[in-house]
Amino acid sequence: KAGVTQTPRYLIKTRGQQVTLSCSPISGHRSVSWYQQTPGQGLQFLFEYFSETQRNKGNFPGRFSGRQFSNSRSEMNVSTLELGDSALYLCASSLEFSGSSYEQYFGPGTRLTVT
Amino acid sequence: LAKTTQPISMDSYEGQEVNITCSHNNIATNDYITWYQQFPSQGPRFIIQGYKTKVTNEVASLFIPADRKSSTLSLPRVSLSDTAVYYCLVETGNQFYFGTGTSLTVIP
Repeated sequence: KAGVTQTPRYLIKTRGQQVTLSCSPISGHRSVSWYQQTPGQGLQFLFEYFSETQRNKGNFPGRFSGRQFSNSRSEMNVSTLELGDSALYLCASSLEFSGSSYEQYFGPGTRLTVT
Repeated sequence: LAKTTQPISMDSYEGQEVNITCSHNNIATNDYITWYQQFPSQGPRFIIQGYKTKVTNEVASLFIPADRKSSTLSLPRVSLSDTAVYYCLVETGNQFYFGTGTSLTVIP
């Protein structure tokens, strides 16, 4: 079956702009999580959605937001971009939500560069 | 706040067993520990998961001591294709904490 897909794969934005990233989970998966990966901070948890509800949220400012649609597809939005937001944004899907045994499948990521 | 740390890098010869340890504090009895493998320009790939004692699958084993302050990923007989970065992930307090990552280089 098809894996997790993320669009776009690469994105260049200017400071102050906003950006929306999209993630399509594996068919049948209802949980979607987002992570930010940078050389300095490593992999950091952004948030998790299950059945259109945000279940968990990491320690990121309110400029980072997300949502999940009824078909489990998810989007994340970053407003007022800063240079430090340049990163690889990874999406992962799983059958169940966190708190139980689950296996997260990651997409290839969206590489965001803020200039 | 759970802090997960790993050795930055490791080298191993082909065919050897490799053990990578992740140190984590403040995790609860039923918190899961998961290990992932990541190649350049790809998302992490699931290796193994567990929350106590020992778990084994077709590619790796996971050892978790009773105090649960660390976990060890064991890769038997590594090959050149196992050269990658390995991350532990701890889910605790409704948060996900990735380890700092261990860059494994397998030498012919």
